[in-house]
Amino acid sequence: DIQMTQFPSTLSASVGDRVTITCRASQSISNWLAWYQQKPGKAPNLLIYKASSLETGVPSRFSGSGSGTEFTLTISSLQPDDFATYYCQQYESSSRTFGQGTKVEIK
Amino acid sequence: QVQLVQSGAEVKKPGASVKVSCMASGYSFSSYGINWVRQAPGQGLEWMGWISPFTGNTNYAQKLHDRVTMTTDTSTNTAYMELRSLRSDDTAVYYCARLKAPSAIVGAFDVWGQGTVVTVS
Repeated sequence: DIQMTQFPSTLSASVGDRVTITCRASQSISNWLAWYQQKPGKAPNLLIYKASSLETGVPSRFSGSGSGTEFTLTISSLQPDDFATYYCQQYESSSRTFGQGTKVEIK
Repeated sequence: QVQLVQSGAEVKKPGASVKVSCMASGYSFSSYGINWVRQAPGQGLEWMGWISPFTGNTNYAQKLHDRVTMTTDTSTNTAYMELRSLRSDDTAVYYCARLKAPSAIVGAFDVWGQGTVVTVS
């Protein structure tokens, strides 16, 4: 199975900060990567697909980049609604795998 | 609107089976694959498998392939996930999720059910 490693696991930031989360694949996945946001007690919500395509309805402060094995999710100016846990997911292989998550906390 | 509505919480004994349902509405059910994802308490997301409502083809996570069965009923637009020989570490929230692209085998998950809590105790 392809392993997905996210870092940091926890991030403390303030409203207005630029935030970057990294996801690394154990082998090349081209651009077959998605990012999700999850709030406590809720289902995940798709933010980014195909590494850099913004899902309809997602604010433009979210962006994704990368290809191969290294990917990033960037929030250009953190808003109060953005404090949540973020997961990357690869869908290159027949066995989809998620990263372990990055919790974005209020500093 | 497009939505997936799952069945209610379940409490099961170790060794028993559970069957969770996921009813789709607002789109052509047969055209989009359904995935199942679970999340143990305080843990991350774990992909369990995929089913095509159109063909019935499935792809299960290796870890679960001998205990899980995914099916669909196109007459009621409902997907099902059955997990057998339950253990305490199967305690989790179980989600169904739709593949974003029609007729796709792989892809991102754009619509999620609300989750079903399964407790094994």
